Amino acid sequence: DAGVIQSPRHEVTEMGQEVTLRCKPISGHNSLFWYRQTMMRGLELLIYFNNNVPIDDSGMPEDRFSAKMPNASFSTLKIQPSEPRDSAVYFCASSFQGGLAGYTFGSGTRLTVV
Amino acid sequence: DAKTTQPNSMESNEEEPVHLPCNHSTISGTDYIHWYRQLPSQGPEYVIHGLTSNVNNRMASLAIAEDRKSSTLILHRATLRDAAVYYCILTPSGNTPLVFGKGTRLSVIA
Repeated sequence: DAGVIQSPRHEVTEMGQEVTLRCKPISGHNSLFWYRQTMMRGLELLIYFNNNVPIDDSGMPEDRFSAKMPNASFSTLKIQPSEPRDSAVYFCASSFQGGLAGYTFGSGTRLTVV
Repeated sequence: DAKTTQPNSMESNEEEPVHLPCNHSTISGTDYIHWYRQLPSQGPEYVIHGLTSNVNNRMASLAIAEDRKSSTLILHRATLRDAAVYYCILTPSGNTPLVFGKGTRLSVIA
């Protein structure tokens, strides 16, 4: 298994531009999570899905952030418009069996907004 | 969510055992204890988890206090590759997200 696949690995964009981060979870996993990591705030949960349905998006910082999971094998996190304070590493994770078989994280997307 | 308390940092010599403590005095009866670690420039990775009994796997051992108010992650022989931030996290049973605290930064000295 290739694990959780995130793309791109690095993204540099200008303030005001739209950014789309992508995630392919492990096949068979039924939960998907988006996290953001910064030095100041550590790892923060943004949103999670169970069986492709968003369950809790209370961690999404603003309306500029949106996430979708159109099917079991793909999810996107979109920021529109982007701002410099959105610069962070964004991680996607997936799990099965309530996470007791472990949560698997992707390698992350490092986003820099200039 | 029940909270955990971990030391900010610890240091170990290579090839010696490391005991990473975690206090969780408000743990409920159905909370699982998870340990994850994050190596530099990587996403967090699963280490071990348990409920009441001590657990062993190829990476580490988890010792859980009898009253479950604390636990210890044991790395039997630290290597340079074990230098990472270690997170102790509680989750109730079910598909609940991991909520990360600050963790313990482990340094391993050659």
